Amino acid sequence: DTGVSQDPRHKITKRGQNVTFRCDPISEHNRLYWYRQTLGQGPEFLTYFQNEAQLEKSRLLSDRFSAERPKGSFSTLEIQRTEQGDSAMYLCASSGRDRGHTEAFFGQGTRLTVV
Amino acid sequence: GIQVEQSPPDLILQEGANSTLRCNFSDSVNNLQWFHQNPWGQLINLFYIPSGTKQNGRLSATTVATERYSLLYISSSQTTDSGVYFCAVFLNAGNNRKLIWGLGTSLAVNP
Repeated sequence: DTGVSQDPRHKITKRGQNVTFRCDPISEHNRLYWYRQTLGQGPEFLTYFQNEAQLEKSRLLSDRFSAERPKGSFSTLEIQRTEQGDSAMYLCASSGRDRGHTEAFFGQGTRLTVV
Repeated sequence: GIQVEQSPPDLILQEGANSTLRCNFSDSVNNLQWFHQNPWGQLINLFYIPSGTKQNGRLSATTVATERYSLLYISSSQTTDSGVYFCAVFLNAGNNRKLIWGLGTSLAVNP
């Protein structure tokens, strides 16, 4: 079990560019979550998948954000036309059937800086 | 919605000291987790503790679900304990499934 893996670890982009992040969950976990964290705050929920189905999206997820999990394994989070306010740590988590899917395990995060 | 409050917001300790961090939550929950966020930003699972008491080395946690609070104890603190400690509760209602987070306790352990 290699844990939840996120790529890249850091991303610096110019305002207006598109960025895509990848998350590989723990292999037997069928639920996958994306959170965003800004400095001094706790993580904020963005969206979650059960297998390939995206079951909930936060109002934080504007039209510029899209997430996919096409085969129910890895997931991607894309931000189009990035803005400086998108600068944050993007965290991915997964959970499995153990403990009724209520225990989440997190990846290392992707730190996005929009300049 | 559920509110999660952590105290204290900041804590400075001398190496070797003990401390207690508190997490209050406003409603019944299915689960409570304690995490340590290291200086590189990774969230490390400390405890899954919807109720009762657990211990792991120098750390222990107690959740009293009926009174809606949880405590994290750190004994004989070390500089590597520095970072932010988060409490998060799991909301599980219909298709609404997510962790609700406190603002964290920022701990600095000085040598």
